Amino acid sequence: NAGVTQTPKFRVLKTGQSMTLLCAQDMNHEYMYWYRQDPGMGLRLIHYSVGEGTTAKGEVPDGYNVSRLKKQNFLLGLESAAPSQTSVYFCASSSTGRYGYTFGSGTRLTVV
Amino acid sequence: AQKITQTQPGMFVQEKEAVTLDCTYDTSDPSYGLFWYKQPSSGEMIFLIYQGSYDQQNATEGRYSLNFQKARKSANLVISASQLGDSAMYFCAMSSGSYGNKLVFGAGTILRVKS
Repeated sequence: NAGVTQTPKFRVLKTGQSMTLLCAQDMNHEYMYWYRQDPGMGLRLIHYSVGEGTTAKGEVPDGYNVSRLKKQNFLLGLESAAPSQTSVYFCASSSTGRYGYTFGSGTRLTVV
Repeated sequence: AQKITQTQPGMFVQEKEAVTLDCTYDTSDPSYGLFWYKQPSSGEMIFLIYQGSYDQQNATEGRYSLNFQKARKSANLVISASQLGDSAMYFCAMSSGSYGNKLVFGAGTILRVKS
């Protein structure tokens, strides 16, 4: 099925470890986004991309890096994980317009 | 900057009754879109309804309707004939091309439908 695929779905990290979350979309969308969801705070934008080779900071970018080397993939990296990065991470992609946003199923990350 | 405010952390509604979830927004962009998403306990984000800032009529999708009051900057979601399966978290969100098409979310409202 067409859509946004996130890997992994669950992960437990120790403080200081690094990891990369992968987001892949097969809808030829230009825009891609990484959000984190914490209780009582909705979804907050970490980084986003408006096209292949571009990235930009969102609302809460500190501690994260991203890359978009291919149009269909958007990678989110944590270089040195901290307990404050325990969250559910969502990737999304969009074209422009009213029906454009498609979300992945989320990655639940716990940093201990 | 863009901002979405949802002032109801939680709501209860009796099955088969209607419920309104509040959403106010702030933006300086004259062209924007307003969205509502449902997030059940399973965690996925489900798109419900969209309203464009230039749309003349309020959006409707089945049992969902959006009460769009542009002058008051409000975009309330109305769910008619509530069902037990409507129990979920509901998010209001906004996007505009001037801000890189980013979707900005409110904090959400938890809706519980009672039988």
